[in-house]
Amino acid sequence: GQQLNQSPQSMFIQEGEDVSMNCTSSSIFNTWLWYKQDPGEGPVLLIALYKAGELTSNGRLTAQFGITRKDSFLNISASIPSDVGIYFCAGQLSGGSYIPTFGRGTSLIVHP
Amino acid sequence: NAGVMQNPRHLVRRRGQEARLRCSPMKGHSHVYWYRQLPEEGLKFMVYLQKENIIDESGMPKERFSAEFPKEGPSILRIQQVVRGDSAAYFCASSPIAAGDYNEQFFGPGTRLTVL
Repeated sequence: GQQLNQSPQSMFIQEGEDVSMNCTSSSIFNTWLWYKQDPGEGPVLLIALYKAGELTSNGRLTAQFGITRKDSFLNISASIPSDVGIYFCAGQLSGGSYIPTFGRGTSLIVHP
Repeated sequence: NAGVMQNPRHLVRRRGQEARLRCSPMKGHSHVYWYRQLPEEGLKFMVYLQKENIIDESGMPKERFSAEFPKEGPSILRIQQVVRGDSAAYFCASSPIAAGDYNEQFFGPGTRLTVL
């Protein structure tokens, strides 16, 4: 089955710094999704990418769908304390039941 | 418009007991998905249901686990004869249309199951 490698596993940064995390896959996807999970809550969709090469922004967040369709990255600029949480990438393949495959997550801690 | 609701939020069971997890999808959503999350891991798909139908149960263990989404009422994930390895957070998600491209799943807050 498909496997997603998400890195880094965790990040400890100072408020105001930029953050970058990425996901790579052993096979191609048609859609890449980035979620954020706050402690004790369910994941919330941040950005969805539908085309290879697509670059999409949502406020201070920017994500890109890799040209090879096997990777994606998420950047957070000028981090703030409320960015703390776990960020998950997920890849989705068209056809079948479209169930996304999730990465293991990147835990982000922002020091004020 | 209330989001996806799950209850209970926390559930403690002893080995051998049954666990029943409930999920009420967002209003107007007729597609429900269940995922399991182990500590420091991503979400693993278990089962996808529409009203009164199981569409995809490829991620659900064949024994002790079952799921339903009746015409009326919440979706239920049922775990019989729980074992310690069942301890995890179980998340439900719902969507307004069938799973596919451009279809967002909205997640509930999860049920944290602890098996003693």
